[in-house]
Amino acid sequence: AQSVTQLDSHVSVSEGTPVLLRCNYSSSYSPSLFWYVQHPNKGLQLLLKYTSAATLVKGINGFEAEFKKSETSFHLTKPSAHMSDAAEYFCVVTFMEYGNKLVFGAGTILRVKS
Amino acid sequence: DGGITQSPKYLFRKEGQNVTLSCEQNLNHDAMYWYRQDPGQGLRLIYYSQIVNDFQKGDIAEGYSVSREKKESFPLTVTSAQKNPTAFYLCASSHTRGAGIQPQHFGDGTRLSIL
Repeated sequence: AQSVTQLDSHVSVSEGTPVLLRCNYSSSYSPSLFWYVQHPNKGLQLLLKYTSAATLVKGINGFEAEFKKSETSFHLTKPSAHMSDAAEYFCVVTFMEYGNKLVFGAGTILRVKS
Repeated sequence: DGGITQSPKYLFRKEGQNVTLSCEQNLNHDAMYWYRQDPGQGLRLIYYSQIVNDFQKGDIAEGYSVSREKKESFPLTVTSAQKNPTAFYLCASSHTRGAGIQPQHFGDGTRLSIL
């Protein structure tokens, strides 16, 4: 069965320092992986997606993620945090055999300190 | 601009009452989805529809019903059988054709509370 584990429920960084949000997945098939961001009382916005092309994926707002099959990980990074990055981030997995149904991690709340 | 519109933004339900949440999209997407979001649990799939006049149960369909009479619309009814309806409800849509998995696009949600 497929599942997603976000290793930190909360992450706190200072503005201008790097961001690392960790995600591990479990899937019996070749996965597609996404990172979404959610600001308070809003819907989810797609940050980036991995669909078996390049293992290093660049997304919007300076975020990127690296797919590591040997470690079954898809960690999200950003070199320098901005105050506007404060939000909740979701790692999501799916695969073709599952008909585009998404499996969500529990989310990581990112706090950015000035 | 194309997008997904959910209404109302806030909704209150009395005991024994059914309520309907609206979801409309003008992205020409074939597939539409309803999710429930509770704090610390991520999103859970309630129902989804890949094509007009067809829909399937997701992981937590009990106490909910949907219809898909038009491509643009996928309303969700929270029935009185749903004993714990307080949550944030999100609607999404996606293409079903094209190379690989198509990402889902989300509305801004409806927050349902019990009076």
